[in-house]
Amino acid sequence: SAVISQKPSRDICQRGTSLTIQCQVDSQVTMMFWYRQQPGQSLTLIATANQGSEATYESGFVIDKFPISRPNLTFSTLTVSNMSPEDSSIYLCSVVGTSGNTDTQYFGPGTRLTVL
Amino acid sequence: QQQVKQSPQSLIVQKGGISIINCAYENTAFDYFPWYQQFPGKGPALLIAIRPDVSEKKEGRFTISFNKSAKQFSLHIMDSQPGDSATYFCAASIGNQFYFGTGTSLTVIP
Repeated sequence: SAVISQKPSRDICQRGTSLTIQCQVDSQVTMMFWYRQQPGQSLTLIATANQGSEATYESGFVIDKFPISRPNLTFSTLTVSNMSPEDSSIYLCSVVGTSGNTDTQYFGPGTRLTVL
Repeated sequence: QQQVKQSPQSLIVQKGGISIINCAYENTAFDYFPWYQQFPGKGPALLIAIRPDVSEKKEGRFTISFNKSAKQFSLHIMDSQPGDSATYFCAASIGNQFYFGTGTSLTVIP
């Protein structure tokens, strides 16, 4: 399994500002993912972050709004830019790790963002 | 297109009862089916998982039943406890591509 930490755990931000969320993993992983989970909703994949290349964004998400960095195999950041109240959500970092001989997905504790 | 369909959206069960959550998928290439449990304010945590070459997997009070021909799988929580109250997500994967269900909010009443 993988142990994932995120900073900050929560934040309250003003409209128009930006917030950078950090994700740290206790082991080297090839693929890291960023998800958004709106209250009471399922998990929506924002992008896949691979070390040494640009992140791959899902439909509806763009780099200008959600720039991602992946400087090494244990760390990634997601920035939520020019925030609006609609960006209020939980943002989750996840990685694919190996459990036994199976690749499975592990999640961080999440960052709860409130935009006023 | 929702790759994995999950039901019910919410479920209320009496303490000691059996909670059953169902998922269905279309892509027969999926080769791994995990269930996640998420408590309020926490990230989803892997609960139990199954591969399509077995029909059932049991870990304590949690059992996955898998029906390959029907392309369905379900989570059974035996002797449900108030501490099981959480949101449960099913998922299906091919390699590193994971697809999640929409989640089931389970409430176990004392």
